[in-house]
Amino acid sequence: DAGITQSPRHKVTETGTPVTLRCHQTENHRYMYWYRQDPGHGLRLIHYSYGVKDTDKGEVSDGYSVSRSKTEDFLLTLESATSSQTSVYFCAISTLGGGYGTEAFFGQGTRLTVV
Amino acid sequence: GENVEQHPSTLSVQEGDSAVIKCTYSDSASNYFPWYKQELGKRPQLIIDIRSNVGEKKDQRIAVTLNKTAKHFSLHITETQPEDSAVYFCAATMNRDDKIIFGKGTRLHILP
Repeated sequence: DAGITQSPRHKVTETGTPVTLRCHQTENHRYMYWYRQDPGHGLRLIHYSYGVKDTDKGEVSDGYSVSRSKTEDFLLTLESATSSQTSVYFCAISTLGGGYGTEAFFGQGTRLTVV
Repeated sequence: GENVEQHPSTLSVQEGDSAVIKCTYSDSASNYFPWYKQELGKRPQLIIDIRSNVGEKKDQRIAVTLNKTAKHFSLHITETQPEDSAVYFCAATMNRDDKIIFGKGTRLHILP
């Protein structure tokens, strides 16, 4: 599993409630990413981190926030969940970022349903 | 920012035939192009990658080609087998912002 785990694996929540997803790694990789996967849209980058307390926005960051207070944990928060945020969320880790080109390892995914 | 287009969205080929998936990217600064395979219900996994200083790379039955001038790259799978059935994603990255931007994916069906 490349030392990356996501929790929870499944969650059902109500519209308007806050939700936090956790990504934990044991590999000490510098780069961590959050993606959402939806039919017809592929994998879309939400936010990413290039170090402790260093984060940046991706393609679809509206409605999401992230925090990284420790190297091993990258948290994704939906401040007020909406039905459009129903999706499968994947966390990924990488030793090097972007074009330096190393393999990105993905977590198992979290299936989030907002009702 | 970078935009990656991937075609086709669905591809069906007879077992033993070849499959080709094509991607284009928008930012000429992109310099690393990985391909990921996602089997049903599983996480994406890297199958091959290519850097901007290389035109082609092969690994057994799979190969990737890159045309920097045209800003497109392709995945070629020869002698397809049932286990090749999956969703394939291309991606483009550049070192100036560390993002990994994916295409929308191609669902490949291998027909018996």
